[in-house]
Amino acid sequence: DTEVTQTPKHLVMGMTNKKSLKCEQHMGHRAMYWYKQKAKKPPELMFVYSYEKLSINESVPSRFSPECPNSSLLNLHLHALQPEDSALYLCASSQAPRLNSPLHFGNGTRLTVT
Amino acid sequence: GENVEQHPSTLSVQEGDSAVIKCTYSDSASNYFPWYKQELGKRPQLIIDIRSNVGEKKDQRIAVTLNKTAKHFSLHITETQPEDSAVYFCAASPTLRGSTLGRLYFGRGTQLTVWP
Repeated sequence: DTEVTQTPKHLVMGMTNKKSLKCEQHMGHRAMYWYKQKAKKPPELMFVYSYEKLSINESVPSRFSPECPNSSLLNLHLHALQPEDSALYLCASSQAPRLNSPLHFGNGTRLTVT
Repeated sequence: GENVEQHPSTLSVQEGDSAVIKCTYSDSASNYFPWYKQELGKRPQLIIDIRSNVGEKKDQRIAVTLNKTAKHFSLHITETQPEDSAVYFCAASPTLRGSTLGRLYFGRGTQLTVWP
């Protein structure tokens, strides 16, 4: 069982589609993250939300748009993606970023852009 | 920013043998070093972590050692089992300092295969 829940598990979308990835945690964590992971590579940080405010954007293209509606939810809105954006998108949370506390990853959404 | 090097990239061992994975880091401000295990098609899972005020930490068959002076840390798995087969990632996290807020720097990963 994972304490960070991501939906959907799989997503196939065309380059003109708009879709959203969703993430939820109920551990009271105040930091939430989006990572992108390609096969056989480490996770790459995309965004960090700290206390529901965007604190890090790793120069991610604007076709990826994060949203943190409340302390338990994190969304990633996708629009006009490219085939090279196909990857596993991982959400993670931690107690608080300042404490260097452990990251808890969700199971990810495997995204395929056609 | 921080740079984490991880070796080896692949490691094959016989069941029951020990496995050691080594990482080096560049930023002396790094003070938190987690290790993640990722099985094929699954999420990374934290297996052990160590902070810079500790030199060694052990949890059953898994241990991590940290040498702050040399800026390297290692994962040791004893009595390996086939279910230990996975990709292992080391990571380092600097002290809170402006733009390094909440950031883990990952190594490139080690594919460990344990043969029965």
